Amino acid sequence: GQSLEQPSEVTAVEGAIVQINCTYQTSGFYGLSWYQQHDGGAPTFLSYNALDGLEETGRFSSFLSRSDSYGYLLLQELQMKDSASYFCAALYSGAGSYQLTFGKGTKLSVIP
Amino acid sequence: DAGVTQSPTHLIKTRGQQVTLRCSPKSGHDTVSWYQQALGQGPQFIFQYYEEEERQRGNFPDRFSGHQFPNYSSELNVNALLLGDSALYLCASSGVGETQYFGPGTRLLVL
Repeated sequence: GQSLEQPSEVTAVEGAIVQINCTYQTSGFYGLSWYQQHDGGAPTFLSYNALDGLEETGRFSSFLSRSDSYGYLLLQELQMKDSASYFCAALYSGAGSYQLTFGKGTKLSVIP
Repeated sequence: DAGVTQSPTHLIKTRGQQVTLRCSPKSGHDTVSWYQQALGQGPQFIFQYYEEEERQRGNFPDRFSGHQFPNYSSELNVNALLLGDSALYLCASSGVGETQYFGPGTRLLVL
């Protein structure tokens, strides 16, 4: 089946930079998305990479390397409010439709 | 422009009952996907609807069924509820080949 691997937990200091890695299976792969989810909330879309390279949106950037089946989310100038779970999700195509498969999530704790 | 909306926000049922959850997609989106998210886990794909038909299905039993209406809104039905069905149920909408945007979810508790 299609599975994604990402670290389960990361801790970083306020103001620092943190990178969350994600590897995925390539069969049918179309693109990689990142979502943020605070406790008790729903996933919020952060970014999407369909092509290799870096996508930058404010303090958040996402990178994709199709040849390495690898991507990452980079969070800069960390703030306490960034403490949340971060999910990578791969969009897979097949039989004329697209399905999003999620990793198990990385719990980011930002400490003072 | 309203995003994805879901109702109800919370629901409590007992084992054996049936439940219907509702979703309205983001404007301009024609595809609706449903996910189940247990505590501490990532969302698990249930099924996807497009043009009023189920297009893909994840590894969920037939107790989970759905429907899409001509206005692209969708319902998720779960029959014969089990304690293990307690979870956050998420609806996501998308256009063709696009990533998905999630609604706020319905938190279901089965007692």
